[in-house]
Amino acid sequence: DIVMTQSPATLSVSPGERATLSCRASQSVRSNVAWYQQQPGQTPRLLIYGASTRATGVPARFSGSGSGTEFTLTISSLQSEDFAVYYCQQYNNWPPSWTFGQGTKVEIK
Amino acid sequence: EVQLVQSGVEVKKPGESLRISCKGSGYTFTTFWISWVRQMPGRGLEWMGRIDPSDSYTNYSPSFEGHVTIAVDRSISTAYLQWSGLKASDTAIYYCALSRGGACQACLDDWGQGTLVTVSS
Repeated sequence: DIVMTQSPATLSVSPGERATLSCRASQSVRSNVAWYQQQPGQTPRLLIYGASTRATGVPARFSGSGSGTEFTLTISSLQSEDFAVYYCQQYNNWPPSWTFGQGTKVEIK
Repeated sequence: EVQLVQSGVEVKKPGESLRISCKGSGYTFTTFWISWVRQMPGRGLEWMGRIDPSDSYTNYSPSFEGHVTIAVDRSISTAYLQWSGLKASDTAIYYCALSRGGACQACLDDWGQGTLVTVSS
């Protein structure tokens, strides 16, 4: 299986500041990475796919970048509703054997 | 509106069998893949496997293959996740999720509300 490693495990950020989350793949996954947000007690929500394309309805303050093995999710100016856990997911394999990273919790500083 | 509605909370004993369900509505059921995702208490997301409802073709994560079975009943637009011998380590929330395809065939676009499964003697 391809292992996705996220860092840091926890990120403490003040509202209005920028947050930068990292995800590293154990082998190249090209641009086949998605990012999900999970707010406390809620179901996950797709934010980004194809490493950099925002899903429908996702605010422009969320942006993704990267290819190969290194990926980044940036939240340009944190709002209160952005404090959550974020997961990267690779979907490069066929037949499908998709994997998630272990998550980064973005908490209020 | 696309909806995935999952079955309710389950409390089972080790070794028991279980089947949980995920009913799709608001779209043509056979059009989109359905995945199952596990979230153990206080832990992250784990992709378990997916099924193509049009032909019941399944793929499993190596971590789950042989321990769970994913199936569908097209006549009632419902996907299932089943176990034949539960373990305490199966205690988790299980989500079904829909991949609508388009620009990202593998993305999990819509999620069910989750089913909490507790396995305890």
